[in-house]
Amino acid sequence: NAGVTQTPKFQVLKTGQSMTLQCAQDMNHNSMYWYRQDPGMGLRLIYYSASEGTTDKGEVPNGYNVSRLNKREFSLRLESAAPSQTSVYFCASRSNQETVEGEKLFFGSGTQLSVL
Amino acid sequence: AQSVTQPDIHITVSEGASLELRCNYSYGATPYLFWYVQSPGQGLQLLLKYFSGDTLVQGIKGFEAEFKRSQSSFNLRKPSVHWSDAAEYFCAVGVWASKIIFGSGTRLSIRP
Repeated sequence: NAGVTQTPKFQVLKTGQSMTLQCAQDMNHNSMYWYRQDPGMGLRLIYYSASEGTTDKGEVPNGYNVSRLNKREFSLRLESAAPSQTSVYFCASRSNQETVEGEKLFFGSGTQLSVL
Repeated sequence: AQSVTQPDIHITVSEGASLELRCNYSYGATPYLFWYVQSPGQGLQLLLKYFSGDTLVQGIKGFEAEFKRSQSSFNLRKPSVHWSDAAEYFCAVGVWASKIIFGSGTRLSIRP
């Protein structure tokens, strides 16, 4: 059982380049999330998808786009990367079953992105 | 707008001493409340969560948290810390099938 899989693990971009971070979960979860983690700022929500076919902005959506391709996959795209987007990116999912376990976030291992 | 505040950026306590990490939130309704821990170079692990009912919740590793509606707080406590508790702790809030917002974190150091 792989859980939440993110690719790539590391990426270096030049300013203005574009890239897509991939995320897939094999737990049949309904909701998926993209966060960025920066020192002293915790995890900030970029976008989320409450269910297949829906996406919503989080706290810091500017400069990003997302696609909920199907129930399993939720990708994050940087159209024109900027140095301010240097961060560690985490994808997460949860089932939304109204149980204790259903509200727990399952995280991927993260993508360390540097924009030069 | 929803927000989570962890007022303490860094706390140092002696091994064996008690611990309290503070968390205050702003939300339209009573949300689900969580505490996560992140050890250096590791992912996030759920310590405990509050949904409803008893306002004192028990978690893993000997942690507990108390929900106080009147203060919009959900503080994390441990009676006696161990060196292995050194990590970063995040409070989070959310509702069913919607966004989950995290605080900025509190880094915990343990003094031998």
